[in-house]
Amino acid sequence: SQQGEEDPQALSIQEGENATMNCSYKTSINNLQWYRQNSGRGLVHLILIRSNEREKHSGRLRVTLDTSKKSSSLLITASRAADTASYFCATAVDSNYQLIWGAGTKLIIKP
Amino acid sequence: EPEVTQTPSHQVTQMGQEVILRCVPISNHLYFYWYRQILGQKVEFLVSFYNNEISEKSEIFDDQFSVERPDGSNFTLKIRSTKLEDSAMYFCASSRTGPYQPQHFGDGTRLSIL
Repeated sequence: SQQGEEDPQALSIQEGENATMNCSYKTSINNLQWYRQNSGRGLVHLILIRSNEREKHSGRLRVTLDTSKKSSSLLITASRAADTASYFCATAVDSNYQLIWGAGTKLIIKP
Repeated sequence: EPEVTQTPSHQVTQMGQEVILRCVPISNHLYFYWYRQILGQKVEFLVSFYNNEISEKSEIFDDQFSVERPDGSNFTLKIRSTKLEDSAMYFCASSRTGPYQPQHFGDGTRLSIL
């Protein structure tokens, strides 16, 4: 079953602006992870937020988690052309040996 | 920085043929995974592998699929009799201590079935 759903499906912004992507999920989670995928490449782990955490920062990335709404957001501040990629959320559910993936947000940063 | 390597980068195979996709996970990782992705869309879980056995598999991972860790470094995915719908990118991933931890991905094998 599909767990994570990102929105928007696609986002195009100017370089320097902030980009916000959202992820919703259905069941209780152990943690939620965000990954980036550049065109034709594998996925790269960006950040992990545990179910008892509400916010986490890593460089220009800020992730929030609202377990009552079963949603998370990824904010990229001061976007750069190199941030152009697809971004996926994935949830880790207790007693599951797999991450459950969303459909991804395709982010385009215009120079 | 250690990385997951996959070979070949592109595999073209006739329908009905067997194909083996190869992966070398990061050396001190204990959990291994195969995913597939069709045309840059959703990432689909296929199978997870730990302690020399399958720990979980999806509905996609039917009898045509098998995985093996033939030695201490390689992790392979075999598709016995390929179908046109098996055309996709196949990604191998590994994690150090468990499925809840960040996974490290290879750059994938593009499988094209003719």
